[in-house]
Amino acid sequence: GAVVSQHPSWVICKSGTSVKIECRSLDFQATTMFWYRQFPKQSLMLMATSNEGSKATYEQGVEKDKFLINHASLTLSTLTVTSAHPEDSSFYICSASPGQGTHSNQPQHFGDGTRLSIL
Amino acid sequence: SQKIEQNSEALNIQEGKTATLTCNYTNYSPAYLQWYRQDPGRGPVFLLLIRENEKEKRKERLKVTFDTTLKQSLFHITASQPADSATYLCALDVGGYNKLIFGAGTRLAVHP
Repeated sequence: GAVVSQHPSWVICKSGTSVKIECRSLDFQATTMFWYRQFPKQSLMLMATSNEGSKATYEQGVEKDKFLINHASLTLSTLTVTSAHPEDSSFYICSASPGQGTHSNQPQHFGDGTRLSIL
Repeated sequence: SQKIEQNSEALNIQEGKTATLTCNYTNYSPAYLQWYRQDPGRGPVFLLLIRENEKEKRKERLKVTFDTTLKQSLFHITASQPADSATYLCALDVGGYNKLIFGAGTRLAVHP
């Protein structure tokens, strides 16, 4: 159980294109999902917390107009990289957990990531 | 600022030996700490969670310790196998809603 699916797994596109990445919880509902980016041999950096039915919470230094997050249902969050440039090339990963709550300490279940390459 | 340190050097060990990975943190008092495994090009996979009031947690060949005085967690894999080769990440909660911050990970290579 607790499977998170991420799509697409790999994207190559031209500079200036907007790219949408989907994150789905397949067998549970998630009021909160998280988006990370990871550069080679570096840590996962939390970008934002996606909240179902409300605005996402962005980490310091992450441009909310650049990285648009929509969490329209309890099983789907999307991250759109708008007007992508080569410096946005990275590995983007989402995570979610069943039973989210203020004091919840559940393990996070991760998607398999999306490798984004901007030419 | 909050900081998590994991040994950036790769850990090379012989099959059958015990691998010990270290996670140190500063400027924070987490309620719990988690360990994940990440294979190249994949998302992390949860392994173990240990709470601040727990000294040790075990799961099959895995053992985690948590010393809140030293601000350190140790992750052990006993009877290691080549299939255990991966990058291991530690993560701390930063308060509510399962928000985690991750260390950079330690790459483990188990040689036959």
